[in-house]
Amino acid sequence: AQSVTQLGSHVSVSEGALVLLRCNYSSSVPPYLFWYVQYPNQGLQLLLKYTTGATLVKGINGFEAEFKKSETSFHLTKPSAHMSDAAEYFCAVSDNSNYQLIWGAGTKLIIKP
Amino acid sequence: DAGVIQSPRHEVTEMGQEVTLRCKPISGHNSLFWYRQTMMRGLELLIYFNNNVPIDDSGMPEDRFSAKMPNASFSTLKIQPSEPRDSAVYFCASRAGSANTEAFFGQGTRLTVV
Repeated sequence: AQSVTQLGSHVSVSEGALVLLRCNYSSSVPPYLFWYVQYPNQGLQLLLKYTTGATLVKGINGFEAEFKKSETSFHLTKPSAHMSDAAEYFCAVSDNSNYQLIWGAGTKLIIKP
Repeated sequence: DAGVIQSPRHEVTEMGQEVTLRCKPISGHNSLFWYRQTMMRGLELLIYFNNNVPIDDSGMPEDRFSAKMPNASFSTLKIQPSEPRDSAVYFCASRAGSANTEAFFGQGTRLTVV
């Protein structure tokens, strides 16, 4: 069965510092991986996704994530945090055995001035 | 496309009343999801439709909840009777139906049952 684990329900970084949000998945077949962002009082919107090909994927707002099959990970990074990045981030997995999206519990990113 | 459209955006109702939430998916998308989000339980999948047919409703909390998708452009989630513990934000999302495509979310309906 598929599952997604996001390490840390809350992550706090200083403005300008590196952002690293962790996501590990389990899937018995090649996965499709997604990161979403949710700003307060809004729906979830796609940041980036990995389907096939290049394992380093770039998304909106300067975020990127790298698919590492050997580590079953898809961590999200951004070199320099902005105050506007404060939001909740969700990792999700899908594969051809199950068209549903399986979601992680989410990580709230807090940006310190 | 205007994206996934949900109505109403906010709903306040009294315990025991019937509540109906509505969703219009993106045209051409053949998968539709209803989610519930609360502080305590996070994001929960309630039900999933593919080509208007319910595929997995194991997340529907109890018989008070029902969902329909009479056609490809409309879905409803009904709670009857509503209870205070149903207070949450309910999201509808649609997807093109392939496992490698992303889901698009509506803005949500914030339900408060008093």
